[in-house]
Amino acid sequence: EIVLTQSPVILSLSPGERATLSCRASQSINGYLAWYQQRPGQVPRLLLYDTSNRATGIPARFSGSGSGTDFTLTISSLEPEDFAVYYCQHRSNWPVTFGGGTKVEI
Amino acid sequence: QVQLVESGGGVVQPGGSLRLSCAASGFTFSDYGIHWVRQAPGKGPEWVAVVYSDGSKKFYSGSVQGRFTISRDQSNNIVALQMNSLRVEDTAVYHCARDFKSGHSDYWGQGVLVTVSS
Repeated sequence: EIVLTQSPVILSLSPGERATLSCRASQSINGYLAWYQQRPGQVPRLLLYDTSNRATGIPARFSGSGSGTDFTLTISSLEPEDFAVYYCQHRSNWPVTFGGGTKVEI
Repeated sequence: QVQLVESGGGVVQPGGSLRLSCAASGFTFSDYGIHWVRQAPGKGPEWVAVVYSDGSKKFYSGSVQGRFTISRDQSNNIVALQMNSLRVEDTAVYHCARDFKSGHSDYWGQGVLVTVSS
């Protein structure tokens, strides 16, 4: 199975700052990568799919990039509601897998 | 609106069985695959299983292969997860989720807690 490694584990930033989160796959996933946001007590929310496509209703401050095995989620200017845990997930083959998460904290 | 509601969770001893159900509404059920994804306390999501929209294909994670079985009832818009030979490490909140792009999930249920303990 494909292993997704996210870094850093914790990212400490202030509102208004730029956040850059990384997800590395153990083999090429053909761009089939999604990002989810999970706030405390809530279910994961789909942010981006296929590397860079925003899901319905997701603000433009969320963007994604990457190819091959290395992918990045960027939040251009952190809003208070963006402090949460972020997970990447591939859909290149079965089983799909999630990364271990990055917590963005104030 | 899309709704996914899980039921059937509870406390079970190691080696026991449990059957979870996911009731779907607000969309054309037969057009979508459905996943089960679990989340142990304080941990990230772990994908468990998927059943395709027409029920023709099913896939499982390695950690549950041979112990869990996913199925769907097209008449009643329900997806079930039969869990046998449960282990302590299966303890988690189990969510069903609607498939998006053959592998991701765009709508999630709130989940049901399964606790495996002696």
